Amino acid sequence: KAGVTQTPRYLIKTRGQQVTLSCSPISGHRSVSWYQQTPGQGLQFLFEYFSETQRNKGNFPGRFSGRQFSNSRSEMNVSTLELGDSALYLCASSLTGTGYYEQYFGPGTRLTVT
Amino acid sequence: QKEVEQNSGPLSVPEGAIASLNCTYSDRGSQSFFWYRQYSGKSPELIMFIYSNGDKEDGRFTAQLNKASQYVSLLIRDSQPSDSATYLCAGKNDKLIFGTGTRLQVFP
Repeated sequence: KAGVTQTPRYLIKTRGQQVTLSCSPISGHRSVSWYQQTPGQGLQFLFEYFSETQRNKGNFPGRFSGRQFSNSRSEMNVSTLELGDSALYLCASSLTGTGYYEQYFGPGTRLTVT
Repeated sequence: QKEVEQNSGPLSVPEGAIASLNCTYSDRGSQSFFWYRQYSGKSPELIMFIYSNGDKEDGRFTAQLNKASQYVSLLIRDSQPSDSATYLCAGKNDKLIFGTGTRLQVFP
């Protein structure tokens, strides 16, 4: 079974630009969560989508948004990029998102903002 | 106080020894707990999960959960240099909250 895939793997953007990252979950998984990982803050939860609905949201500004499509693929968007948005963005999928909740990560997208 | 706390390490153990990684959590509503291994430059890889009090064994790994003490641990038996990585503990209530990880170094 194919794992979680994320595209692109690397991105370099300029302050003020916007960026869209994509995540395809494991086949059959309906929950997709997004995380930001930085050396200083570790893994921080951004949001979770299940059946095209945002079910949970972390403590990030409104510049960070996401969506999920009917095939469970998900995108996240960051508008008006800041230098501090440079990070590894990880998506993770799980079967349902509740109850037993084994969550599997994709390889991540490394975003650099200059 | 962070919701999930881990000692950042590094924890250094000789090859063949038992590595003991610990994690405490503050949210009593957390029902399930997960251990991930992350190699430098890679994404986290799920190695163990535990939902009930007590021990759960999988190969060289044993996860232990004590909900009364709000404590989770991971034991790695017969540690190998390839086990050298950062180990992330995570607890789930309505969402998965990660600790900052413990760096494990296994030396030959």
